[in-house]
Amino acid sequence: DGGITQSPKYLFRKEGQNVTLSCEQNLNHDAMYWYRQDPGQGLRLIYYSQIVNDFQKGDIAEGYSVSREKKESFPLTVTSAQKNPTAFYLCASSIDLELHSGNTIYFGEGSWLTVV
Amino acid sequence: RKEVEQDPGPFNVPEGATVAFNCTYSNSASQSFFWYRQDCRKEPKLLMSVYSSGNEDGRFTAQLNRASQYISLLIRDSKLSDSATYLCVVRFPYGQNFVFGPGTRLSVLP
Repeated sequence: DGGITQSPKYLFRKEGQNVTLSCEQNLNHDAMYWYRQDPGQGLRLIYYSQIVNDFQKGDIAEGYSVSREKKESFPLTVTSAQKNPTAFYLCASSIDLELHSGNTIYFGEGSWLTVV
Repeated sequence: RKEVEQDPGPFNVPEGATVAFNCTYSNSASQSFFWYRQDCRKEPKLLMSVYSSGNEDGRFTAQLNRASQYISLLIRDSKLSDSATYLCVVRFPYGQNFVFGPGTRLSVLP
């Protein structure tokens, strides 16, 4: 099946640890995104990537890092510098960033990160 | 001013009611518009795109008013299964360009 796969679905992190969330898509999409959602809140953009080996900071990039070595993969690392990382993390993709009809955004099932 | 704003909600309505959601956006050059649905603790899923002439999909009707920079979603004959948060999404002509509204939560009550 085509889609976006995130793993793990649930992750617990100790204070001071870095953790990496995986995101893989087989939709052949150029653009990929990471969002953070806090309980009862909207989506906030962390990073996005238009193409392999290129990525841009979103609105809340501090304390996070990403890589885009392959078109299919866009892992997110939550570093110890992120002060309040407990949240729901959503990976998404779209065909590209061009404004053509039918180009919409699709999400993975999300990863729940809790700091213990 | 926020780029995409929605009714704050929550909306609590009885089964069978008609409910309308409103969304305004700040960039007049925006090109594409969508409504997404997000169930509790799940990912957002595309409900419908919004076309200039308005469009309907079963009990759901979406309207766009470019002059007022306003989008609406109407749900007729609401079902218990319609309970969710509805997100307005606008494509702005810059940056990562999918801009999400904060969402409006709907609870359909028996």
